[in-house]
Amino acid sequence: QKEVEQNSGPLSVPEGAIASLNCTYSDRVSQSFFWYRQYSGKSPELIMSIYSNGDKEDGRFTAQLNKASQYVSLLIRDSQPSDSATYLCAVPGTGGFKTIFGAGTRLFVKA
Amino acid sequence: DTAVSQTPKYLVTQMGNDKSIKCEQNLGHDTMYWYKQDSKKFLKIMFSYNNKELIINETVPNRFSPKSPDKAHLNLHINSLELGDSAVYFCASSQGEPGQETQYFGPGTRLLVL
Repeated sequence: QKEVEQNSGPLSVPEGAIASLNCTYSDRVSQSFFWYRQYSGKSPELIMSIYSNGDKEDGRFTAQLNKASQYVSLLIRDSQPSDSATYLCAVPGTGGFKTIFGAGTRLFVKA
Repeated sequence: DTAVSQTPKYLVTQMGNDKSIKCEQNLGHDTMYWYKQDSKKFLKIMFSYNNKELIINETVPNRFSPKSPDKAHLNLHINSLELGDSAVYFCASSQGEPGQETQYFGPGTRLLVL
């Protein structure tokens, strides 16, 4: 059974700082990795996907993947109070048709 | 336009009752899912359907019975509700190659069993 581990937090950063969210996964053959954001009382929404080692940037968000270390991270630059949410790391289950989520990291951005 | 919709949004019921949650997606996706998010916010897959066929049943009790009348709909019926069933249930849909699916979630149904 694949596992996805995240620090539950909360992670608190001041406005304008870089927030760094980390995730490790157990299955070496995983090829796809996702970050979802979930605001309180709302449903998760995809913010980043990454498939190759290295960095992938999208606006203020950067996903970093290191398959050798089985580690994926999400950096949020110039953090805003509106970034305060729970961030879920996810990997597909073996064979597809299933996504395994980490427990999520709660992020608070203080104004 | 709502992409993935669920009804009802809230459901409060007594232990032992039977209830249903409905889900519809207008994204044209082939695969639909039910997830359960417990009080600790842990999101866990329950079922997945591809083209109306059951693909994944993640050791969910028999009291939970999904039904997909067509690719756009996936309903969830729960018999003999228990206190531990209280959670938020999310419907989702996806498209793409297995292993690269992006999940599109509905707004959730908040179930409280008293």
